[in-house]
Amino acid sequence: NAGVTQTPKFRVLKTGQSMTLLCAQDMNHEYMYWYRQDPGMGLRLIHYSVGEGTTAKGEVPDGYNVSRLKNQNFLLGLESAAPSQTSVYFCASRDPGQMNTEAFFGQGTRLTVV
Amino acid sequence: AQKVTQAQTEISVVEKEDVTLDCVYETRDTTYYLFWYKQPPSGELVFLIRRNSFDEQNEISGRYSWNFQKSTSSFNFTITASQVVDSAVYFCALNPSYNTDKLIFGTGTRLQVFP
Repeated sequence: NAGVTQTPKFRVLKTGQSMTLLCAQDMNHEYMYWYRQDPGMGLRLIHYSVGEGTTAKGEVPDGYNVSRLKNQNFLLGLESAAPSQTSVYFCASRDPGQMNTEAFFGQGTRLTVV
Repeated sequence: AQKVTQAQTEISVVEKEDVTLDCVYETRDTTYYLFWYKQPPSGELVFLIRRNSFDEQNEISGRYSWNFQKSTSSFNFTITASQVVDSAVYFCALNPSYNTDKLIFGTGTRLQVFP
């Protein structure tokens, strides 16, 4: 019963390096989200997707790109990492249904950019 | 504006005390959904409750209770007889409209329960 799985769990990058965070869910949810969590800022939405092949910007999209090539996967890319992107990243998925169900979250990825 | 405000950054209590975590939200829509999540020290986010805007009944689940008041746009969370295991960051979240995909979080309240 995997739910939402994020890889990797930890990563250290040098400024200017690129990387991709992978989120996979096995619940056949349509909606997927990437958030970042910073002290005192709560969870801020980076990008989200409402289905395979779709993406949309959240409140803090700059410096990130995303892709949703398959319904179960949602990738978050950093093309040129900056120290300001040091954060804990959470992926979530949700089945909107008619009752706006809750989001299920992955375990998080702790990213440090030096 | 669509926004969630958790004005209490950190609360400290002694075990067995009751504690209330405040959540105030803003949305223009009449149909919306509210959530509470718990983030224990291990870091994962655990869903606690969902409430839609048409259901103003308070809810109780064991030591947890929620007070939803549309008149004040608040969805407060009370823990009765707190325990050390309740120590966590608690987030209130809003799905601000029936036809929106976004889930907006507050900045969280860190609760520390001391033995």
